[in-house]
Amino acid sequence: QSALTQPASVAGSPGQSITISCTGTRSDVENYNLVSWYQQHPGKAPKLIIYEGDKRPAEVSNRFSGSKSGNTASLTISGLQAEDEANYYCCSYAGSSTWVFGGGTNLAVL
Amino acid sequence: QVQLQESGPGLVKPSETVSLTCSVSGAAIRSGDNFWSWIRQPAGKGPEWIGRIYASGSTSYTPSLKSRATISLHTSKNQISLRLSSVTAADTAVYYCATVTGSSAFDPWGQGTLVIVSS
Repeated sequence: QSALTQPASVAGSPGQSITISCTGTRSDVENYNLVSWYQQHPGKAPKLIIYEGDKRPAEVSNRFSGSKSGNTASLTISGLQAEDEANYYCCSYAGSSTWVFGGGTNLAVL
Repeated sequence: QVQLQESGPGLVKPSETVSLTCSVSGAAIRSGDNFWSWIRQPAGKGPEWIGRIYASGSTSYTPSLKSRATISLHTSKNQISLRLSSVTAADTAVYYCATVTGSSAFDPWGQGTLVIVSS
C-alpha cells in the first residue's frame, strides 16, 4: 500500500480558484468512488470536507468541490479566502477494509 | 453528536509498548454500524491509517503495522484502545481516533494525542 500522490504546495490569490490533484492506483482511487478530502489548520485535527469523491457535508461551503477521473481525484476550491489557507489531504478506500492517505498539499492564499 | 478524545503516556522508550485510549461520547461503541479507526500523523507529514474496529469487534490493519498494532473495544467504559508494540523513533506522531462513516470517510476526529518515542 503506497501513499496517494499530491503536489506539495499550491498557491492562489483571494477570489481565484485552485485545484489539488490526488493520484492513486487501480487498487484504490480508480476502483472505488470512496475518496475523501480533509482540511487541516496548524495544530488542529483534520476536518472532513468531501466524501464519496464529490459530496459535501452540510456544514461545508459549496466553494469546495470534488471530482475523479481514472486514478486521479481532484479537489477544487473556488473564490479563495484567507481562511482556506491550510493543509489538504486526500484519502481513498483501498479494499479489504483498508484506507490510504495522501502526503498532503499546503495551500497558500497570497 | 459523537465526540472523541484520545489520551496516552506522551513519552515512551524505544522497544516498549505504547497504549492509547479513545473515549467516546454521544454514541455507544458497540451499537449499530459503528466503525472506529486509529490514524497517526508524524510532524510535517500526511496522516497514516493504522487500523479500524467494527462494533462487533472485528479488526483490520494497514499491512506495515499489522504485526505490532492491536485495536480493542472496552464497552464498559465506552472506549477504544490502540496498543503498539516494539516502538521506535519512527512511531513518533500525533495519534488520532476517528469515526468511520457509512461512506468510508473519517468524521469526526478526536483532537489527537502526541506520542514521542525517545530514551
